[in-house]
Amino acid sequence: RKEVEQDPGPFNVPEGATVAFNCTYSNSASQSFFWYRQDCRKEPKLLMSVYSSGNEDGRFTAQLNRASQYISLLIRDSKLSDSATYLCVVRENTPLVFGKGTRLSVIA
Amino acid sequence: DARVTQTPRHKVTEMGQEVTMRCQPILGHNTVFWYRQTMMQGLELLAYFRNRAPLDDSGMPKDRFSAEMPDATLATLKIQPSEPRDSAVYFCASGQDSYGYTFGSGTRLTVV
Repeated sequence: RKEVEQDPGPFNVPEGATVAFNCTYSNSASQSFFWYRQDCRKEPKLLMSVYSSGNEDGRFTAQLNRASQYISLLIRDSKLSDSATYLCVVRENTPLVFGKGTRLSVIA
Repeated sequence: DARVTQTPRHKVTEMGQEVTMRCQPILGHNTVFWYRQTMMQGLELLAYFRNRAPLDDSGMPKDRFSAEMPDATLATLKIQPSEPRDSAVYFCASGQDSYGYTFGSGTRLTVV
């Protein structure tokens, strides 16, 4: 079983739409959680950390459910520039463990 | 902005040749990682160092891959001999303790 699982997509949504990505992780001892964004042929970049209390950064909201080992990312009012692959990331001790990513295309 | 610098950006080589990839981590970061990304497997951890000491290289094929950190400003990943299945993007990332890490732009390796 893959340690971090995500729906690969693609999610094709119109501008202005709200889209949600989900992720599950297998190691209950995981310590920290993140969402990274990766543009085509670029490196992954940290989008936001994910906290148990939930956190928001502008149009982006991340949630963590430790009991269900489930992480989510909600993007409101999608922009064309949000088109990218979103990677769910879990820290087990030091190394980051990456999901394979969910591809989002925002269409005009 | 501080950056992780990787060289070369692109490398095309023939099967059997030695490949060396280099990484300059962000000054002050104490942890350095090597990841490999392919379409099929996504991002896989190959090796990582903390304070220049290798902590885990279980993700690397030991017979052909080696990772070193000769000083705090340089990490290297070497493949000898290279094989077509090594074709991938190799990322270096650095970080400090418990926050997220910063990735370099990657080395896109093609072995023909």
